[in-house]
Amino acid sequence: AQSVTQLDSQVPVFEEAPVELRCNYSSSVSVYLFWYVQYPNQGLQLLLKYLSGSTLVKGINGFEAEFNKSQTSFHLRKPSVHISDTAEYFCAVRAKLIFGTGTRLQVFP
Amino acid sequence: DTGVSQNPRHKITKRGQNVTFRCDPISEHNRLYWYRQTLGQGPEFLTYFQNEAQLEKSRLLSDRFSAERPKGSFSTLEIQRTEQGDSAMYLCASSSTGGWYQETQYFGPGTRLLVL
Repeated sequence: AQSVTQLDSQVPVFEEAPVELRCNYSSSVSVYLFWYVQYPNQGLQLLLKYLSGSTLVKGINGFEAEFNKSQTSFHLRKPSVHISDTAEYFCAVRAKLIFGTGTRLQVFP
Repeated sequence: DTGVSQNPRHKITKRGQNVTFRCDPISEHNRLYWYRQTLGQGPEFLTYFQNEAQLEKSRLLSDRFSAERPKGSFSTLEIQRTEQGDSAMYLCASSSTGGWYQETQYFGPGTRLLVL
């Protein structure tokens, strides 16, 4: 069985500060991991994905994530956030997309 | 390519009524997925199609729910005898076949259902 845990339901942060959104997964088979972002009243947009190869994955809007097999984690990071990054972020595993509960990132000026 | 579209964007209905939602995937995508998202939760998988074949259904999909993709293009999701617990955002996504684990799903804007 596969599952995803997003440890933080909300992450408040000031503009231009770094941020890390945490995601842990469990899976009994090979893992394929995704981060999606959902802006208010919009659909889900893929930020980045890990399928194989380099464990550091770079995505859109300056986000990156690192796959850590030993810690079963796929944390999302950005070195300097903007107000426009305020959104709901979802970590997901496998192609059927089993989603975590989401982390709301709130960026304050 | 205009992306995945869903209609209607919003639907308000009374308990007990039937509702039908439509999803138009990206034209060259042969896989189509339905998810349901309730407030404060991540999307939950409901069902998926490859072309016109419905290959998997979640246990969340009760007998009141039915999905079709008759010609392998657009899909409809019908909910019969709606209940207040059906109130949610219904999301559609599509992808192309590129190895099961390598696909990227593109999501539509969703249909928000409110059952009174």
